[in-house]
Amino acid sequence: AQSVTQLGSHVSVSEGALVLLRCNYSSSVPPYLFWYVQYPNQGLQLLLKYTTGATLVKGINGFEAEFKKSETSFHLTKPSAHMSDAAEYFCAVSGHGGATNKLIFGTGTLLAVQP
Amino acid sequence: GAGVSQTPSNKVTEKGKYVELRCDPISGHTALYWYRQSLGQGPEFLIYFQGTGAADDSGLPNDRFFAVRPEGSVSTLKIQRTERGDSAVYLCASSLTPSQGNTEAFFGQGTRLTVV
Repeated sequence: AQSVTQLGSHVSVSEGALVLLRCNYSSSVPPYLFWYVQYPNQGLQLLLKYTTGATLVKGINGFEAEFKKSETSFHLTKPSAHMSDAAEYFCAVSGHGGATNKLIFGTGTLLAVQP
Repeated sequence: GAGVSQTPSNKVTEKGKYVELRCDPISGHTALYWYRQSLGQGPEFLIYFQGTGAADDSGLPNDRFFAVRPEGSVSTLKIQRTERGDSAVYLCASSLTPSQGNTEAFFGQGTRLTVV
């Protein structure tokens, strides 16, 4: 069984400040981990993913995340927030091995960026 | 098409009515997924097709929900005797055949279903 917990349903940062969105997962098999972003009235867009190999993963728009197996975490960070980063962010997990790409999502974190 | 297309974008229906939601996946994508996103929640998996067959329908909430993909491309999610609790955004995603390292699913913009 797999699950995802996102701590903080709402996060507010100032423009230029560090963005940190937390994600912890539970998985009985080695996980694939994802961060998706959802802008208002738009579909989900993949920010970045971890499958195997390097544990620090870089994505689009300056975001990155680090897979920490010992902490079962996959937190999303960005050094300097832009106003355009305001959106909802979802962490997701799927099973390793490729039988299916079925995703288990967290409940999401709404990021607000203050001028 | 260039991306996953879902129609209609919005659907309002009366309680007890039947609805169909359509998904046009990216051309060449053999895998297709339906998810449901209720207000304030993350998307929840409903069903996964590999080609024409439903490889995993473990997320369908009850027998009022059914989905088909007869030719391995377009899929239709069908909901019978709709209830107010079915109100949500229904998301479709498609991907290449799942295999080691191939993991990216592309999402449509969703159909917002409102049952009144």
